Amino acid sequence: DAKTTQPPSMDCAEGRAANLPCNHSTISGNEYVYWYRQIHSQGPQYIIHGLKNNETNEMASLIITEDRKSSTLILPHATLRDTAVYYCIVTPTGGGNKLTFGTGTQLKVEL
Amino acid sequence: DAGITQSPRYKITETGRQVTLMCHQTWSHSYMFWYRQDLGHGLRLIYYSAAADITDKGEVPDGYVVSRSKTENFPLTLESATRSQTSVYFCASSDRGYSNQPQHFGDGTRLSIL
Repeated sequence: DAKTTQPPSMDCAEGRAANLPCNHSTISGNEYVYWYRQIHSQGPQYIIHGLKNNETNEMASLIITEDRKSSTLILPHATLRDTAVYYCIVTPTGGGNKLTFGTGTQLKVEL
Repeated sequence: DAGITQSPRYKITETGRQVTLMCHQTWSHSYMFWYRQDLGHGLRLIYYSAAADITDKGEVPDGYVVSRSKTENFPLTLESATRSQTSVYFCASSDRGYSNQPQHFGDGTRLSIL
């Protein structure tokens, strides 16, 4: 399974864009990049996922580099409620889409 | 309401006791998962199930038993609880299990074993 590397922590001012990087240099051609977040004491929440193309939904945008070795999750206008641990996960195909969680990035959004 | 629910939310028990954590989903998702989360660790997969009567081990299955007689339920049993099993347990489900289907998580069960 491809491993991911994320910075342990990041800060962001409220109202600004939060850009969370993730390296996954050993990703295979058929592996997806997923982003989840976990707000304190709650279950992980799905944010977005992608294979090759950039993706956008109501929560965030996902930018994947052309060589697919890294990606960036963008929260366009961060709020205090976006303070959470963000996990970047690469999933192998088949096998039930099992997720392997690392330690993620603790994003702190401040006034 | 549709969704995934876990019960109980909190549980305290003693070493050696049997305890069962319940997970119920209303989406008719094929796949269901159990994870545990400990301080300093991300979530680790305990067991998963591809369908009723089909289960498989994850990363940390020792000391746990699962069953899935109905699609919507996936109970996790600790047959003889140990202190090392004190943790927060999360259940999740996903549709069909293909890589483009996200998992949806419950709110967790906080289990303390004294």
